[in-house]
Parts: sequence; C-alpha cells; structure tokens
Amino acid sequence: DTGVSQDPRHKITKRGQNVTFRCDPISEHNRLYWYRQTLGQGPEFLTYFQNEAQLEKSRLLSDRFSAERPKGSFSTLEIQRTEQGDSAMYLCASSLSGREETQYFGPGTRLLVL
Amino acid sequence: GENVEQHPSTLSVQEGDSAVIKCTYSDSASNYFPWYKQELGKGPQLIIDIRSNVGEKKDQRIAVTLNKTAKHFSLHITETQPEDSAVYFCAASISGWNYGGSQGNLIFGKGTKLSVKP
Repeated sequence: DTGVSQDPRHKITKRGQNVTFRCDPISEHNRLYWYRQTLGQGPEFLTYFQNEAQLEKSRLLSDRFSAERPKGSFSTLEIQRTEQGDSAMYLCASSLSGREETQYFGPGTRLLVL
Repeated sequence: GENVEQHPSTLSVQEGDSAVIKCTYSDSASNYFPWYKQELGKGPQLIIDIRSNVGEKKDQRIAVTLNKTAKHFSLHITETQPEDSAVYFCAASISGWNYGGSQGNLIFGKGTKLSVKP
C-alpha cells in the first residue's frame, strides 16, 4: 500500500499525559498537513509542512501541540498535558505542490483522553 | 476567513435514485473545491474535485457543478448503490502560487450522511 499511513490507529490516554502520533506521507509528496476531526464535524486544519519547513499553523494549535517533519519525510504530532477536549480523530494528508495539487488523507489516529 | 456550509446534513435515498448535496462558500478568492467520502473509522477519500476555471466535471456516476457567481457548488450522484452510503464532505481552498505553488489548507463543511436503501 503506497498511501498515507498513520500510527497508532487508536490511542487511549489519561488526562495530563503526553502523546505522539506519526504520519508517513506518500513517498514523493513534499507537502504534509495535519487536521483534527471531532464527532459529527468536518476536519479542521491544524498545520502544514512543505518539505521540513512548517509554513502555517492554525490558531487551534495551542502551545501544548507541536509538530515536526525533521527530514521532510514522516511527521510527528505531539500533544503535551492532554485534556479531555483533545479527544478527536487526528488526520494527516499529503500532496505534491503544483497547479494540480490534491490532498490525500491517511486513516487517522483516534485519540481518547480519559 | 472562509466558511463552508453544507446541506443537507442527512440524506436517505432508494437504490437507483439520484442524490444531490449542496455547499456554499463565503470567500470569493476560493478556487479549489474537492469532495471527500468518509466511511466509518476511515480517513476521507477524495472522490472528485473541481477548480474555478470550469463549471462542471463528471466522473462516471459522480458529477460536480460550480457556480462562482453564487458561490455554491454541488455533488451529484446518479444511480446510487448501497456502497455509496457514507458521510460526504465538501471543502474549499485558495490555490495560488505562494511558497512556490500552494494549495491552502482545506476548509470543510460539516458533512452529509448519505444512506442508500436497497
């Protein structure tokens, strides 16, 4: 399978713990996006990378959230001191920049904070 | 900023009927409009998209129309099948040439749950 992959698929944690998610984009894609989706809502943009540079961050991305893409390939999203309101599906998408850019999503990581 | 509204929130049709989902957007600078299908427990899957230089695009049983003047776009599914049952999301973004060619982040509608009854 050469699509976007995410790990883990599910994560249950206790409030106050730190969690880290990983996204592996489609291999030739230089752009990588993180979105968050809560129940009954559409995905909401969090941040995106072009190669290793983080170019845009949403105001939804509080200082407890940090994302990296150190070598311009896979990316990690870390949430520190998790809160119950962080419970959501975290989606990663990748794309190849250009006129016909299209974002392809991974299966998501479902986070439950108890 | 951009705001995308999507209607209806739920839609139930008989197998073989057509289904239409409508979205409106607020930012006239938006020029890229994809539609995604999301099945339970899975990530969104792109099914069709349209850019603002065309008014209509078709791919087999799926078509999308765009009215830039009215700032709305619609998804049309003909000859619906039970496997079309899912949540469908519309989205809008501004695609430009910032950062060496850029598609801005996608702004999504709230989704339409389509049920196709056999």
